[in-house]
Amino acid sequence: AQSVTQLDSQVPVFEEAPVELRCNYSSSVSVYLFWYVQYPNQGLQLLLKYLSGSTLVESINGFEAEFNKSQTSFHLRKPSVHISDTAEYFCAVSDRRTGRRALTFGSGTRLQVQP
Amino acid sequence: SAVISQKPSRDICQRGTSLTIQCQVDSQVTMMFWYRQQPGQSLTLIATANQGSEATYESGFVIDKFPISRPNLTFSTLTVSNMSPEDSSIYLCSAGVGPGSGQYFGPGTRLTVT
Repeated sequence: AQSVTQLDSQVPVFEEAPVELRCNYSSSVSVYLFWYVQYPNQGLQLLLKYLSGSTLVESINGFEAEFNKSQTSFHLRKPSVHISDTAEYFCAVSDRRTGRRALTFGSGTRLQVQP
Repeated sequence: SAVISQKPSRDICQRGTSLTIQCQVDSQVTMMFWYRQQPGQSLTLIATANQGSEATYESGFVIDKFPISRPNLTFSTLTVSNMSPEDSSIYLCSAGVGPGSGQYFGPGTRLTVT
């Protein structure tokens, strides 16, 4: 069974500072990888995804994530955060080989951007 | 993409009663799922809602407790039966629109059982 590890439950950071949210997955098969964001009192929104091709994927609001197969990681980064980035971020995987599209989620990382 | 709505958005229910949550997608989708997000925790998959056949439940979830219907490609319901305070949670519906597309989530139903 797949598992997703987000080592940091909370990440406090000052506005305009860079941030990295870590995600490691445990799987012996090919996977699709996703980052979701959940703003306070809102539903989950797909932030970005890795399917194939370039290992670096970007979102429209400045986040990027890099797929590293050898380290089974998919860390999320942003060079300069804003107050509005305060949210819960979830890393998730699905199994590419079987086509099972259900997602396995990590435990989440709460990003707290301080002025 | 897909836009997903859920009803009700929240409810407070008494122990021993049942609540049915509705999920509507604005387009036909092949896969629909139900997740639970307990307070301060991540999402746990309850089941995959299969159109025209019985839902596929994950370990720890059973049909008698969480019956699911999916009569067509745009609609599904989840019933939380014989509720107890431990069922207090946010229940989310999601839809998958293609291989590797990820899933689109509804706004969730916040359930409190007293």
